[in-house]
Amino acid sequence: AQSVAQPEDQVKVAEGNPLTVKCTYSVSGNPYLFWYVQYPNRGLQFLLKYITGDNLVKGSYGFEAEFNKSQTSFHLKKPSALVSDSALYFCAVRDWRGRRALTFGSGTRLQVQP
Amino acid sequence: EPEVTQTPSHQVTQMGQEVILRCVPISNHLYFYWYRQILGQKVEFLVSFYNNEISEKSEIFDDQFSVERPDGSNFTLKIRSTKLEDSAMYFCASSEGTSDTYEQYFGPGTRLTVT
Repeated sequence: AQSVAQPEDQVKVAEGNPLTVKCTYSVSGNPYLFWYVQYPNRGLQFLLKYITGDNLVKGSYGFEAEFNKSQTSFHLKKPSALVSDSALYFCAVRDWRGRRALTFGSGTRLQVQP
Repeated sequence: EPEVTQTPSHQVTQMGQEVILRCVPISNHLYFYWYRQILGQKVEFLVSFYNNEISEKSEIFDDQFSVERPDGSNFTLKIRSTKLEDSAMYFCASSEGTSDTYEQYFGPGTRLTVT
């Protein structure tokens, strides 16, 4: 069975500082990995994905994520945080075998302080 | 930018009643999904739908649940006899094409409260 762990319920950073939101996964075979963000009263918004190729993927709003196969991690990063980045972030995984169901982590609340 | 829409935003129903949650996926998308999130818990997959039939479902999606695409734009989730434990946020999603690399786009959710 596939699973995702987001070890931090909350991450606090100062505006302008780099941010990292951690995600580790477990899946049979090659993973497809996704990051979503949720703002209050909004749905889950797609940020970026890793399917294959370069381990560093770039997404919306200046976010990027690094796939590390040996550590089974897919951490979300941004070089300089904005107050408007404050939201709930979800990591999700599915395996490559054609099943489309996403398995989500429990979410990490990012708070960027002015 | 095209969006997935869901109605209603909040539904309150009594235990044992039937509810229908509605979604309008992005117009050129081919795969449709329902997920739910019980308060304080993870987002969980319920079902996926393609070519007018269920392509995948989870253990949660038992006989009290059904999905339908009644016309060219709507996608619905019906819960026949609601239970207290069905109270959750229900998210609809859609993805384009038949490639399994496409990301899923989510609607804003319907909060279902069963009393």
